[in-house]
Amino acid sequence: QSALTQPASVSGSPGQSITVSCTGSRSDVGAYNFVSWYQQHPGKAPKLMIYDVNTRPSGVSNRFSGSKSGNTASLTISGLQAEDEANYYCSSYTTSNIIGVFGGGTKLTVL
Amino acid sequence: EVQLVQSGAEVKKPGESLKISCKGSGYTFTTYWIGWVRQMPGKGLEWMGIIYPDDSDTRYSPSFQGQVTISADKSITTAYLQWSSLKASDTAMYYCARRGVSGGGIDFWGQGTLVTVSS
Repeated sequence: QSALTQPASVSGSPGQSITVSCTGSRSDVGAYNFVSWYQQHPGKAPKLMIYDVNTRPSGVSNRFSGSKSGNTASLTISGLQAEDEANYYCSSYTTSNIIGVFGGGTKLTVL
Repeated sequence: EVQLVQSGAEVKKPGESLKISCKGSGYTFTTYWIGWVRQMPGKGLEWMGIIYPDDSDTRYSPSFQGQVTISADKSITTAYLQWSSLKASDTAMYYCARRGVSGGGIDFWGQGTLVTVSS
C-alpha cells in the first residue's frame, strides 16, 4: 500500500506553533480514527506522541495535539522548543490489512 | 516496566542468512501483536509485518511477503525476523515494536538492530 503523504519539512521559531499534515485516503485516514504520530530524534527509536487521532499517552506534553478532517490528519505542536526538533511520522490503520501504513516523515526544524 | 530488547548489530555478506531477535518483558507477551519496522539509511519507517505470539498468526506487508520470515517463541517471550539470503538492499535499522494502543498504534519500541550487508 502507498505511504501516507507528509510534507518533507516544516520549520518554526521557539514559542511558535506548527502543524504537520498527513494525507491519506478513504481506505486509511478517512476510514478510521486510528491515526498515530511518532517523534524520532536522530539515532533514536521513535516515540509515540499521539494515538487515536488526538489522544496523548501519559508523559507526553500537552503542547502536542492531533486532529483529523476527512482524509487528512494533523499534528500541532504549540510553544515550540528546541527539543522538538526531530522527524515526525504519522501512521494509520487501513482497510486493506491490519498492519497499517506510515507516512513518509516530516523533518521539523526549530529556527 | 515494559521492555523490548533487541539483539546486537550484524555485518553480513550478500547471500548469507540472518535471524535477529526481540525479547519482550514486563508485560504479558502473548496478548499483544509485535511488529517489525524497517528504516533504511536516511529514510522513513516501513511496516514489514506483525505476529500475535499466542497463536503465531503472522501478517506481512506486500513489499516484504516472501522476503523475510517473522516468528515468535512465546516460551521465551521472543520474536524473530529472519532472512534466508541477504541482499545489499537489506542494509537498514530494524525495530521491533509492540502494538499496544487501539488501531495498531505502537506504544513501545525496541532499541533497533543495525544490519549491514556488504561484500
